[in-house]
Amino acid sequence: DAGVTQSPTHLIKTRGQQVTLRCSPKSGHDTVSWYQQALGQGPQFIFQYYEEEERQRGNFPDRFSGHQFPNYSSELNVNALLLGDSALYLCASSLGRLRNGYTFGSGTRLTVV
Amino acid sequence: AQSVTQPDIHITVSEGASLELRCNYSYGATPYLFWYVQSPGQGLQLLLKYFSGDTLVQGIKGFEAEFKRSQSSFNLRKPSVHWSDAAEYFCAVELGGGADGLTFGKGTHLIIQP
Repeated sequence: DAGVTQSPTHLIKTRGQQVTLRCSPKSGHDTVSWYQQALGQGPQFIFQYYEEEERQRGNFPDRFSGHQFPNYSSELNVNALLLGDSALYLCASSLGRLRNGYTFGSGTRLTVV
Repeated sequence: AQSVTQPDIHITVSEGASLELRCNYSYGATPYLFWYVQSPGQGLQLLLKYFSGDTLVQGIKGFEAEFKRSQSSFNLRKPSVHWSDAAEYFCAVELGGGADGLTFGKGTHLIIQP
């Protein structure tokens, strides 16, 4: 049973560019959340997608956007990259509103130069 | 706004010794509580969770945590640590409703001495 799969694993981008990160949830899960983890910090909630809609959003600017597809996979898009966007981006999946915790992927390490 | 405090940035424990990692949260009601572990370069693995009921929760890898409402704490314990327990440990909370995401503490880095 595959867990959460994220791609790519590493990425280097230049300031001002745009980036798309991808996530496939764990089999049977229908909800995807995205988190940003800066070096030495705990993850911070970006947003959550359920039924192809953004259900809730953390304190992140509109440069951060996302999408969920009918197969429950998701993309995170970041426009106009800043040096401060360099971080590990984690995807977590869960099943609806069930209180079973979240399954996290291994993340995408984004470096903005 | 809710917050999670892990007061110990680093903890060093000898192999075979007991461990306690502290976590305090700030929120009016009792949130859902989690402990996650992260090995270098890896994602987060759920150790245990508390939603309601028995305040002593058993998790994987021999970990347990105790919820104390009066102290707004959810401390993680293990009676005897192994070298493989060296990692970053995160306490997290979630409000009801399921759509608010997890709020994490800044983590505690656990070092195991031989």
